[in-house]
Amino acid sequence: DAGITQSPRHKVTETGTPVTLRCHQTENHRYMYWYRQDPGHGLRLIHYSYGVKDTDKGEVSDGYSVSRSKTEDFLLTLESATSSQTSVYFCAIRTGTGEGWGTEAFFGQGTRLTVV
Amino acid sequence: GQNIDQPTEMTATEGAIVQINCTYQTSGFNGLFWYQQHAGEAPTFLSYNVLDGLEEKGRFSSFLSRSKGYSYLLLKELQMKDSASYLCAVRDTGANNLFFGTGTRLTVIP
Repeated sequence: DAGITQSPRHKVTETGTPVTLRCHQTENHRYMYWYRQDPGHGLRLIHYSYGVKDTDKGEVSDGYSVSRSKTEDFLLTLESATSSQTSVYFCAIRTGTGEGWGTEAFFGQGTRLTVV
Repeated sequence: GQNIDQPTEMTATEGAIVQINCTYQTSGFNGLFWYQQHAGEAPTFLSYNVLDGLEEKGRFSSFLSRSKGYSYLLLKELQMKDSASYLCAVRDTGANNLFFGTGTRLTVIP
């Protein structure tokens, strides 16, 4: 599993509250990703990071921010949670430094977030 | 834009062979990936194709035709544990991202 840990694994929060999800890796890989998975949509990229303090937006970044102050941690923050952000969130890492994904991509176990 | 299509659900019998199709229309192409995802778990990598043809890995094989925008995942000698969702994903040229289809939920019955 390439040493990926997501926390929390489950969370219920109220609309309008801030929420931070954490992805932690133990192997100093450069690339880290946050995806959300929803029925009928598949996995969609929210944000990704290619190094400490280097991040970029994915296809569904509105309402989310990220931070990466050290290699091992990639945080996803919902500034003001909405019901549309109820989803399962997956962190992924790419273990290679080249252009390929292939067997180099590993996903964390996921965080199930419910916004009520 | 990106459009990746795969059937929503399939059912097959234990010991049989099943083929899961994936068609894609993307602005660029730099590889097609198949992942397996059991309910409530993380996706795990199965196969990768970047050139046309068949890639075989044990009971699983994956085929790609870039000119047709088409791939399939072939599962042989089905086992009950193969019941899972199978995700097709395309990497766009120059994009640091994988675009996923909605997944095919395969149910293996005795």
